[in-house]
Amino acid sequence: DAGITQSPRHKVTETGTPVTLRCHQTENHRYMYWYRQDPGHGLRLIHYSYGVKDTDKGEVSDGYSVSRSKTEDFLLTLESATSSQTSVYFCAIRDRGVNSPLHFGNGTRLTVT
Amino acid sequence: SQELEQSPQSLIVQEGKNLTINCTSSKTLYGLYWYKQKYGEGLIFLMMLQKGGEEKSHEKITAKLDEKKQQSSLHITASQPSHAGIYLCGPDEGAQKLVFGQGTRLTINP
Repeated sequence: DAGITQSPRHKVTETGTPVTLRCHQTENHRYMYWYRQDPGHGLRLIHYSYGVKDTDKGEVSDGYSVSRSKTEDFLLTLESATSSQTSVYFCAIRDRGVNSPLHFGNGTRLTVT
Repeated sequence: SQELEQSPQSLIVQEGKNLTINCTSSKTLYGLYWYKQKYGEGLIFLMMLQKGGEEKSHEKITAKLDEKKQQSSLHITASQPSHAGIYLCGPDEGAQKLVFGQGTRLTINP
């Protein structure tokens, strides 16, 4: 398995509280991604990073922010969690920009009550 | 950005039967990846296709990319319960954003 660790694996939080999910890699890959997966919507890109302190928005970035201060860590923050953010969140890493598949973490199941 | 459509969205087959999942792009693909997800787990990379007409196999799973590089098919021969899961295709646009199809949920009945 690619060295990707997501934490926590499960979290239940209340509406309006801040939440931070962590993705840690040991592969020294340049690219890191956050996706959410929901029934009927498949896998949707939230944010991605192409280097330390270099990030960009994906297709469903509203309500989320990210930070990457070190190559190995990519943090996803929900500033004020809402019930619509209940989902399974996946982190992925990629070595190169092309000809290089994504490798995924095992996911974080977030429930916002 | 790339639009990918997978069909069917859901598939139930008898164990031992063959099946095909399709992935169609709105634009010519630079390349394409196939992934499999077991229920409740992360995605596992299966295959990458880059050239028009390319075909790759892994065990009983074969993936093809058509000559125009706008459509790919994933074929499973003699399906087994271990093949059950969600199959997703994703483009390699040569760009940094990777957007996936909605996935095909495969159920294998014994």
